Amino acid sequence: QKEVEQDPGPLSVPEGAIVSLNCTYSNSAFQYFMWYRQYSRKGPELLMYTYSSGNKEDGRFTAQVDKSSKYISLFIRDSQPSDSATYLCAMSHPNNNAGNMLTFGGGTRLMVKP
Amino acid sequence: EAGVVQSPRYKIIEKKQPVAFWCNPISGHNTLYWYLQNLGQGPELLIRYENEEAVDDSQLPKDRFSAERLKGVDSTLKIQPAELGDSAVYLCASSLGLYSGASNEQFFGPGTRLTVL
Repeated sequence: QKEVEQDPGPLSVPEGAIVSLNCTYSNSAFQYFMWYRQYSRKGPELLMYTYSSGNKEDGRFTAQVDKSSKYISLFIRDSQPSDSATYLCAMSHPNNNAGNMLTFGGGTRLMVKP
Repeated sequence: EAGVVQSPRYKIIEKKQPVAFWCNPISGHNTLYWYLQNLGQGPELLIRYENEEAVDDSQLPKDRFSAERLKGVDSTLKIQPAELGDSAVYLCASSLGLYSGASNEQFFGPGTRLTVL
């Protein structure tokens, strides 16, 4: 079993829909939680960063972390065709000397149709 | 500001041939990472450099993979000899460094897509 699990999709939604993307994890030491967006043939780019539990909002994007359930979510409001990409969750913990060594989920492919 | 630069973007080789990838990190970034990304998977760390020192290479298959980061700036990743299973995207990322703060955001390059025939 992988440390971080993510439904690969694809997830297809109409433009304007609210999108919910999720990851579960098994390592309770994870403290930092990130969402990356990866367009086709591009490298991942950081979307949201959250430390420990709670919510964080940035424009149309909201990240939620529930450490008790080992579950994180990314919500996208008013989704746009330009949001079509693969969304990767990533996590790290401070219990090593490696700074932010990231463990990635497998990614969820999102398609927003006009 | 220029991002992480990688070359080549695409490489097709026959098995048992050598191949090398090059990465130029963002100026001033002390930490450099090489990741492997298989199709439909998330990136997996191969090696991490703090300046010119390789501080985590536990996931690097050392029988065929090697890496270097001369002068703590550019880095090359080499495979010799390449195998069919090495076909993947090789991503380079950089970050300011361990003591830059909790986020220590990693910035990724576009990757090199390797196909081994």
